[in-house]
Parts: sequence; structure tokens; C-alpha cells
Amino acid sequence: EDQVTQSPEALRLQEGESSSLNCSYTVSGLRGLFWYRQDPGKGPEFLFTLYSAGEEKEKERLKATLTKKESFLHITAPKPEDSATYLCAPRGAGSYQLTFGKGTKLSVIP
Amino acid sequence: KAGVTQTPRYLIKTRGQQVTLSCSPISGHRSVSWYQQTPGQGLQFLFEYFSETQRNKGNFPGRFSGRQFSNSRSEMNVSTLELGDSALYLCASSAGTSKDTQYFGPGTRLTVL
Repeated sequence: EDQVTQSPEALRLQEGESSSLNCSYTVSGLRGLFWYRQDPGKGPEFLFTLYSAGEEKEKERLKATLTKKESFLHITAPKPEDSATYLCAPRGAGSYQLTFGKGTKLSVIP
Repeated sequence: KAGVTQTPRYLIKTRGQQVTLSCSPISGHRSVSWYQQTPGQGLQFLFEYFSETQRNKGNFPGRFSGRQFSNSRSEMNVSTLELGDSALYLCASSAGTSKDTQYFGPGTRLTVL
């Protein structure tokens, strides 16, 4: 059974204070590790897909990395508008569903 | 390109009633997945349809069902509503292979009284 654990559950940062979010996963035959951002009351917004260990992707202040057991979302010099819940979800071989972690709720204080 | 649309956006029902939610995928996408999101359980997979066939099903009771039409639009139905069915119901569309990204709609907020 696919398992996903995200840490920390909540993270409070000062504006400009860089940090990392962790996503640990156990899945058979990874077919992709997906990162989403979700604002309260809205649907998740797609950020990145990583397919193989060692892969990295960047978008503005966000950078996602992948190993065989973990993925990290690095946030550099965050701004208040980066406040949201960040969700990761791996997909295993032969599966069309995403298994989501509980998310990390990020708050960036001005 | 228009995104995933879901209707209605909000619903209030009473216990024992049934409800039907609708999802229109991104044009050209043939796969539609449904998820339930609650504060306690997070996002949980309900089922996935591709070309009118259910390919995957999550661990939900038979009261939860779905279907997909030839134009890829999908509906999910919940019969005999329970208080615990109150949640945000999200649908996501993708092209349909196991590597494709799923794009989510805004969700339908269901409240069961």
C-alpha cells in the first residue's frame, strides 16, 4: 500500500526566511511525484512533477527535488503570497490514482 | 484553455437524501478522478474513469458511485447521505496515462445536516 508522510504539519516563516518541506513516500514503481499548492476552500493547484531520483524543478521561489524515498520543496525568500498548504502525492506503477500526504500548512509573516 | 469545472459549488442536504455532483474536464482530457477532502482525513481517492470505464476505485462504501459520459464529463452520486459525508469533493482531469498530471477543479462543498 502506498504511503506518504509530510513534515512539518505546519510551518511559520518570516518573509525572506528560506526553508524546506519534506515528503517521505513508499510506493511500488514510482511513476511520478506530484506537488500541489492549495489555498483555503479551493482546489489544489499543480506545481511540479518529478519522475526520477536526482531530478529537480524550479518555479519562481520554489524548487522541488526527488530521491528514492523523499522529495523536498525548497522555498527561497518566501513572500506572504506563498502562504498555502503544500501537498505531495506519488503515483505508483499501474495506478491512476494519487495518494496524498496530509500537507504542510505554510504561513509567511510580513 | 478552460480549466476543470464543477457544479454546483455548494450544496446543503439532509441525512438520508442523495446528491449528484458534476465535473467537466479540460478539453481533450479523457480521464476524470474524484477525491473527497476532509480536515481529518485529507484528500482521499474515490474513483477514476477513462473513456466511460471505471479503472480505479478507492475504499469507499457502495453509496458512492460515479459514471462518465462519451464527452468525458463525469458525475458522482452519493446515496443515503450521512453527516460524515460533509466534505469538499474534488474532481481532477488528465490525458489518461499513469504519468500524466491531474488538474483539479474548484470543488463542490457538500454540507449534510
